[in-house]
Amino acid sequence: DTEVTQTPKHLVMGMTNKKSLKCEQHMGHRAMYWYKQKAKKPPELMFVYSYEKLSINESVPSRFSPECPNSSLLNLHLHALQPEDSALYLCASSPQDREGSPLHFGNGTRLTVT
Amino acid sequence: AQSVSQHNHHVILSEAASLELGCNYSYGGTVNLFWYVQYPGQHLQLLLKYFSGDPLVKGIKGFEAEFIKSKFSFNLRKPSVQWSDTAEYFCAASDSWGKLQFGAGTQVVVTP
Repeated sequence: DTEVTQTPKHLVMGMTNKKSLKCEQHMGHRAMYWYKQKAKKPPELMFVYSYEKLSINESVPSRFSPECPNSSLLNLHLHALQPEDSALYLCASSPQDREGSPLHFGNGTRLTVT
Repeated sequence: AQSVSQHNHHVILSEAASLELGCNYSYGGTVNLFWYVQYPGQHLQLLLKYFSGDPLVKGIKGFEAEFIKSKFSFNLRKPSVQWSDTAEYFCAASDSWGKLQFGAGTQVVVTP
């Protein structure tokens, strides 16, 4: 079982809703990531937090807003999403203690925008 | 531009057959290479990784991969597959600390 916990597992929201995805890890990892995965496609990087600071934003629309309250938690706030944003949202973490540190992935949140 | 390409999108084979999945990368300088597996309904799991040292890397579940720098390749192999190896396999690469780029993935179906 994965050590990266994501909640909720499933989420259905309307285009006017505001919701948040949550991710938690207690492995002491200093880097955390959000990926988006559409069906039959590889994961695509959205955001990277390193030592609780946003280090990479892959030109993600502002309707997705990440937040890293502390080194163990990562949130993704959602507002005014579009149906094409429906996807599996994956959180990952890595120790980032040396180059080549692998990412540990959560099970993901299956998001459906209606 | 940096890229990762996987040769096959879909592979079907019988139990006990040997498996080899191709992966090529296009990166300048140092590259870190990974193979991840995603079983149906489960999270992405690391099979193995190459950072430096011995180019033949052994991973979990009997998988291995060989880094061939001259060919920019990192192919995944398993001598004898089982039905439980049915999954999506992703090759991935990074040239820095954490910006991981995935290949398109290969769906492997092992028939009994």
